[in-house]
Amino acid sequence: AQSVTQLGSHVSVSEGALVLLRCNYSSSVPPYLFWYVQYPNQGLQLLLKYTSAATLVKGINGFEAEFKKSETSFHLTKPSAHMSDAAEYFCAVSLSGYSTLTFGKGTMLLVSP
Amino acid sequence: DADVTQTPRNRITKTGKRIMLECSQTKGHDRMYWYRQDPGLGLRLIYYSFDVKDINKGEISDGYSVSRQAQAKFSLSLESAIPNQTALYFCATSDPSTGRPYNEQFFGPGTRLTVL
Repeated sequence: AQSVTQLGSHVSVSEGALVLLRCNYSSSVPPYLFWYVQYPNQGLQLLLKYTSAATLVKGINGFEAEFKKSETSFHLTKPSAHMSDAAEYFCAVSLSGYSTLTFGKGTMLLVSP
Repeated sequence: DADVTQTPRNRITKTGKRIMLECSQTKGHDRMYWYRQDPGLGLRLIYYSFDVKDINKGEISDGYSVSRQAQAKFSLSLESAIPNQTALYFCATSDPSTGRPYNEQFFGPGTRLTVL
């Protein structure tokens, strides 16, 4: 079985500040990990994914995440927040192509001027 | 044109009514999923289908049923709607393969359902 924990239901940053959204996973086998973003009144869009090819994964809009097996973490970062980054972010885990995705409860990112 | 479409986008109904949400995709994917999203609870899987003849219950299937009419169509029904089924519903598709063994999913725009 797999599970995902996202620490912090809301994260507030100022424009230009570092963004750090935390995700820890639990998995009995090496996982595949995903970050999705949901802008207001829209569906989910894939930001990036970890598929075991490289531990540091770069995604769209300047986001990246690092897979750390020893810490069972896959935190999402962006060096400098933009107002347009305000959205809800979901971390998800899958054990294989034959398993389903398990989502975290989401973190709402608020960006202030 | 969107690859995964959902109809209707918004629906208000009354307790006890039967309602159907529809999902269509042009991605050619075999796998389709229905989720519901509630504030603070993330996305929870209702039902999923790995091909036309395969239907599986997810985490929260009670009160819901599905129909996979074709590879491209997957419908979700609420037989007798109740207020706590008020939520945002998403359809998704995926197509893992030998070259891409992970289960990356592609989402529709969602249906906002309100049960009064």
